[in-house]
Amino acid sequence: SQTIHQWPATLVQPVGSPLSLECTVEGTSNPNLYWYRQAAGRGLQLLFYSVGIGQISSEVPQNLSASRPQDRQFILSSKKLLLSDSGFYLCAWSGGNREYFGPGTRLLVL
Amino acid sequence: KQEVTQIPAALSVPEGENLVLNCSFTDSAIYNLQWFRQDPGKGLTSLLLIQSSQREQTSGRLNASLDKSSGRSTLYIAASQPGDSATYLCAASGGGADGLTFGKGTHLIIQP
Repeated sequence: SQTIHQWPATLVQPVGSPLSLECTVEGTSNPNLYWYRQAAGRGLQLLFYSVGIGQISSEVPQNLSASRPQDRQFILSSKKLLLSDSGFYLCAWSGGNREYFGPGTRLLVL
Repeated sequence: KQEVTQIPAALSVPEGENLVLNCSFTDSAIYNLQWFRQDPGKGLTSLLLIQSSQREQTSGRLNASLDKSSGRSTLYIAASQPGDSATYLCAASGGGADGLTFGKGTHLIIQP
């Protein structure tokens, strides 16, 4: 069966520090991968998606970037965090007509 | 661009009541519509997925309907229980690889 992992589960970072969130999927190959963010008082917003290694599409302009170095690994990064980057980050994968979500990473930027 | 709206934003009802959560979407050319449950601080649990060719899906006490022509979906919860308390999200898929469009959710509280 397929499993999706995210780490860390919780992260507190100062403004201006770098960020790296990791997502890995097991039990499937060549999945579509997604990063979503859920900010306080707002709905889930798609940030990035990837249909293959090295292929990244961005939905909104922002302070973040994504990379897919391996088929089942998706990384969300920032060189310098902003207060507005705080939120709950969810990774998801899709192999067909539905998406499956990871447990999420809660990021607090102070 | 697809927009998804959920009404009400919050709902509090006594245990045992039947209730309906509403979801509307602006672009009727959807591939499917999904309902999720989110507990505080947790990820998403998929409840029901309705393909564009379907009218409804049922799972236990949950029933979701889809009316593409009017751009609406409803989630019906029968005989509500305190354990049903959570935020319920609906999300529309356009069928491509470009992800889901979510509503802001309905925060549901079932009073014991």
